[in-house]
Formats: sequence, C-alpha cells, structure tokens
Amino acid sequence: AQSVTQLDSHVSVSEGTPVLLRCNYSSSYSPSLFWYVQHPNKGLQLLLKYTSAATLVKGINGFEAEFKKSETSFHLTKPSAHMSDAAEYFCVVSEASGNTPLVFGKGTRLSVIA
Amino acid sequence: EAQVTQNPRYLITVTGKKLTVTCSQNMNHEYMSWYRQDPGLGLRQIYYSMNVEVTDKGDVPEGYKVSRKEKRNFPLILESPSPNQTSLYFCASSSTSGSLIFTDTQYFGPGTRLTVL
Repeated sequence: AQSVTQLDSHVSVSEGTPVLLRCNYSSSYSPSLFWYVQHPNKGLQLLLKYTSAATLVKGINGFEAEFKKSETSFHLTKPSAHMSDAAEYFCVVSEASGNTPLVFGKGTRLSVIA
Repeated sequence: EAQVTQNPRYLITVTGKKLTVTCSQNMNHEYMSWYRQDPGLGLRQIYYSMNVEVTDKGDVPEGYKVSRKEKRNFPLILESPSPNQTSLYFCASSSTSGSLIFTDTQYFGPGTRLTVL
C-alpha cells in the first residue's frame, strides 16, 4: 500500500532564496506523484505531476520536482522564493494496489520572509 | 468554465441535526471524492466514487454517507452531526481514464467550513 511522508511541517525561507519541500513515498508499484498548493482560504490547485515520463517535472510558477526511485523521493524545489509562494503544499501518491486511489501527505506550510 | 462547486460554503449547525453538503462538477469526470481537512492532519479522504452508483469508503468514513446517482453530483450527508465533525470539507473530481492509477489532475471545490455545536 502506498504512503506519503512530508518531512517538514513548516519551512521558512527569505524572499529570493531557494525553496526545498521534501516528500518521501512508499509504493509497491510505479506510482503517480503530485504536488498541490493551497493558498490561505482557497481550495487546492495542481502544481505539477509525475506519471512515469520524464523524471524531472516542471510545474507552474517556477516550481519543479524530481522523481528519484532509488531514494523514493519527490522533492519540490524553486530557485527563488516569492512572497506569493507562501502557502500549504501537499505531496500526493497514487498507485493501483492502494486501499484508496490517492493518499495525501500531511502538508508543509511555506512561509516567505521579506 | 470547468469547476467543482460546493454548497453551502459555511454552515453552523447543532449536534444531531441532519445536513447535506452538495458537490457538483461540470467536467464529466468519473471520479469524485470528499475530504476533510484538520490542522496538523492534512487532507483525509472520507468517501470516493469511481463512477455512478459506485462508492467506497476512504480513511475516515464513520458518521458520513454519500450517494452517486448522477455523474455530476456527489452529496455528502451527515445524518447526526457531532462536534468532532467540525472541519473544512473539500469535494474533488478527476478523470480516471479507466485506470486505477490516477494520472490526471484532481479539481477541488472551494471548501465548506462546517461547525457543529
């Protein structure tokens, strides 16, 4: 069965510095992996997804993530943080053998300091 | 415009008074799902539906019911709400392309903030 661990519940960065949000997954088969973002008082929006094509995935707003099977990781990065990146980020995994189609991580809250 | 709508957006009710939160999508998606979001716990799946008349329990189904009589609608029913069901609820939908491995984007509604006194 699949599971997702977001290694940090809260990350704080200065504006203009790199962002790293860490996600490790457990999966018996080749999974699909997603990152979603939730801005305050809003619903969730897809940032990017990995579905067994290129391992380096580019998303919206300058974010990207790399699927590393050997490390079972799918970390989210951005070269330079912007104030508007402050939000909650969720890593999500999907595989055929799971009890439910999609499993969410507990989320990482990103704060950006001016 | 492609969207998932939920109603009501905000609801304050009392223990034991039955309520329904509606969810509707206009994208002809097969898959629909309900989640609750609580601080420190992330999103937890309540129920999901792979298609019309097909529903399954998620991780936290106790105290909730759902139905999927039409493809576009997936209402969440609380027969006898209790204070521990105070939460932020999200409905979502997605195309499945007939696969058990999801590769398509989930579209989320704006959320329903429920308070049970």
